[in-house]
Amino acid sequence: AQRVTQPEKLLSVFKGAPVELKCNYSYSGSPELFWYVQYSRQRLQLLLRHISRESIKGFTADLNKGETSFHLKKPFAQEEDSAMYYCALSGLGSNYGQNFVFGPGTRLSVLP
Amino acid sequence: NAGVTQTPKFRILKIGQSMTLQCTQDMNHNYMYWYRQDPGMGLKLIYYSVGAGITDKGEVPNGYNVSRSTTEDFPLRLELAAPSQTSVYFCASSKGTGEKSNQPQHFGDGTRLSIL
Repeated sequence: AQRVTQPEKLLSVFKGAPVELKCNYSYSGSPELFWYVQYSRQRLQLLLRHISRESIKGFTADLNKGETSFHLKKPFAQEEDSAMYYCALSGLGSNYGQNFVFGPGTRLSVLP
Repeated sequence: NAGVTQTPKFRILKIGQSMTLQCTQDMNHNYMYWYRQDPGMGLKLIYYSVGAGITDKGEVPNGYNVSRSTTEDFPLRLELAAPSQTSVYFCASSKGTGEKSNQPQHFGDGTRLSIL
């Protein structure tokens, strides 16, 4: 069965420090990975997806199939990055609704 | 575009009462979803729909019903509210899926529901 884990419930870093939010997954097929973010008092929104291979708000994430990971990274954290971050997985070419799984989320707190 | 709109934002129900959580989207998306999020947990899929007239169960469908009579609307109904259904409910929509890429989901603001 597909599963997404995010080992840290809370991650606190100082402004300007590097950030890495961990995400590991298990899925037997071909996965597509996403990072969603929820800022305070805002709705959940897509941050980035591995297929796009782009950097959004300074964040990047690389899919490592060997380690089954999709860690989110940013070299220099900013206070406005404080939010809840969710890693999500869906199965390519499969029944989308049944194969879209979210991790439990990591709360990132960037301290001044 | 308003995107995905959910109503109400908050609700308190007594055990055994029923209610409908409303969800509408104005992006002409075919796919719509209902999730629940319990404290400290990830989102769990309740029901989803791939188009008007088509619905299917997700991971945790018991105690809920849905309908999809139009592309825009996807209401979620609780028939006999139970304390275990206390949660935050999110509705989402997406364009669809493909062999090479799945379209990302767009979320509503959520409905915070308490069953007492």
